[in-house]
Amino acid sequence: EVQLVESGGGLVKPGGSLRLSCAASGFTFSSYSMNWVRQAPGKGLEWVSSISSSSSYIYYADSVKGRFTISRDNAKNSLYLQMNSLRAEDTAVYYCAREGQQWLALDYWGQGTLVTVSS
Amino acid sequence: QSALTQPASVSGSPGQSITISCTGTSSDVGGYNYVSWYQQHPGKAPKLMIYEVSNRPSGVSNRFSGSKSGNTASLTISGLQAEDEADYYCSSYTSSSTLRTVFGGGTKLTVL
Repeated sequence: EVQLVESGGGLVKPGGSLRLSCAASGFTFSSYSMNWVRQAPGKGLEWVSSISSSSSYIYYADSVKGRFTISRDNAKNSLYLQMNSLRAEDTAVYYCAREGQQWLALDYWGQGTLVTVSS
Repeated sequence: QSALTQPASVSGSPGQSITISCTGTSSDVGGYNYVSWYQQHPGKAPKLMIYEVSNRPSGVSNRFSGSKSGNTASLTISGLQAEDEADYYCSSYTSSSTLRTVFGGGTKLTVL
């Protein structure tokens, strides 16, 4: 069974940093691209970042470029999102999602981890 | 970056059919067949319902179907059921800037 479990969320002050993790199991992690998608309270989905299976290709939304860094450790079946210079507008539930065999289709999602940026 | 445009809400009675639209540009929806649709129930993670415009993942009911015409993609749900009440989001590959994927603003489906 495919499972994605996010962790690392919490309350952080503006300007602070946080590192999210996503532990994957039930599939060959190293064969799939992975994504981070966020959802502000009461709002819609926003794609944040994606990383290819071997980390060769990395993309970011303009809203986080230069502040967030996506990475992965295939030996540990883990995906990460390092978030720096956090702003109030980064407050959201952050989901990690697997990109399936069909390009850009996010076929499995974690339960999400809440990041709150507030003083 | 601009999100794809979806109606804020749609509604229908059990057994009826409804269609949710998703309008973009030639740089996203109109230019590529990489449109997906997701269903999200309150407090839950999104679920993939349609990929590549009109394909259903294994396990998704054939009451859900997708199509595209020009810059507008559509999700049709036939034989509405109470459990279909949820938020629906479209997404598309985009060739603009450094973005890779853009989502629609979401549509709240109410089953009357």
